[in-house]
Amino acid sequence: SQQGEEDPQALSIQEGENATMNCSYKTSINNLQWYRQNSGRGLVHLILIRSNEREKHSGRLRVTLDTSKKSSSLLITASRAADTASYFCATRPTGFQKLVFGTGTRLLVSP
Amino acid sequence: DAGVIQSPRHEVTEMGQEVTLRCKPISGHDYLFWYRQTMMRGLELLIYFNNNVPIDDSGMPEDRFSAKMPNASFSTLKIQPSEPRDSAVYFCASSLVTGGMNTEAFFGQGTRLTVV
Repeated sequence: SQQGEEDPQALSIQEGENATMNCSYKTSINNLQWYRQNSGRGLVHLILIRSNEREKHSGRLRVTLDTSKKSSSLLITASRAADTASYFCATRPTGFQKLVFGTGTRLLVSP
Repeated sequence: DAGVIQSPRHEVTEMGQEVTLRCKPISGHDYLFWYRQTMMRGLELLIYFNNNVPIDDSGMPEDRFSAKMPNASFSTLKIQPSEPRDSAVYFCASSLVTGGMNTEAFFGQGTRLTVV
């Protein structure tokens, strides 16, 4: 399977703390994206990082990419209860236009 | 735009019946993807289309599954005959190539299929 792996599978923190999720993938990529999924809903795009970028910020989100290790991390700073959701990384393999998703991290932020 | 629209939102059917899931992508998008999500297997890409043409259907699990895109605004995923192990949430997503590369995908709300 081309699917990437994410860790941890589940993460439980308190409001105000930072949450870090990691993603590893298997093939060379054009870009890597992070998505969020609330329970029972579709996935929503959060941020995209291209293969020639190492770090990207968007609001409280910070994404890093290490293509030599085939890994990425998503940091959510100053978490809120509303950040409770599942988070998925997705890769765009080089030469393909498809999007391959990782296994996801379930984040629970307690008030 | 109303986003990607899928129907029905929920479907309960008996084993052996034919099931048809429908998707309307965002207008102007040239890629359409069908995914299946289960607890055991996560999000699996089943098939994707470019300009209505199937590009990669290697994720389609069996011949019981088929997908079509007769025009730019409509796609179907059909399961015939359905089996209990097909129970899952099926997502449709669309995207647009910009500068030669696909960027973000927009997902529909999904169809929760239960085969009893």
